[in-house]
Amino acid sequence: LAKTTQPISMDSYEGQEVNITCSHNNIATNDYITWYQQFPSQGPRFIIQGYKTKVTNEVASLFIPADRKSSTLSLPRVSLSDTAVYYCLPKGSRGSTLGRLYFGRGTQLTVWP
Amino acid sequence: GAGVSQSPRYKVAKRGQDVALRCDPISGHVSLFWYQQALGQGPEFLTYFQNEAQLDKSGLPSDRFFAERPEGSVSTLKIQRTQQEDSAVYLCASSPLVDTEAFFGQGTRLTVV
Repeated sequence: LAKTTQPISMDSYEGQEVNITCSHNNIATNDYITWYQQFPSQGPRFIIQGYKTKVTNEVASLFIPADRKSSTLSLPRVSLSDTAVYYCLPKGSRGSTLGRLYFGRGTQLTVWP
Repeated sequence: GAGVSQSPRYKVAKRGQDVALRCDPISGHVSLFWYQQALGQGPEFLTYFQNEAQLDKSGLPSDRFFAERPEGSVSTLKIQRTQQEDSAVYLCASSPLVDTEAFFGQGTRLTVV
């Protein structure tokens, strides 16, 4: 499965847009990119998933360039409650990994007032 | 219930003691996963069930770890003769199918003293 690399930590202020970039140079052709969010003392929570180009939902946007070697999670106008760890995960194709998720250390985002 | 429920939330065990951690998945979810999360790290896969069948237990760190899901719903992770290195948060996740979004519980924090 593709190894992912993302910053250990990031800081931002309330109201700013935050972009977290993840590198996955060896991503497999059939793999999706999935992002999870984890608050302290909580389990991870699914945010968004994409294969190519741009995906947007009510929480975030995900940009994946044509070569798929990286992806960027964009959080618009962050608030204090967005302080969390964000994980970028390759999501294996059906049958190959049986839905197993491979978490790295993630990016600790801290939002300041 | 509305989400994945795990109990107890916190468990303190003396070294050498056996512990049992319970997971109540979302009703009707076929897939159930157990993960172990050490402090400051991302969750690491332990084992996977599809209904009552344990299809992957490759992540279990030793034969002291045992998981079951006898009726395809509630699952129990048992750790025998606990060691200090077993101290971690144990997360359970369920999903409707193997390749769909996983929903995590809040975890059980195990401390072995």
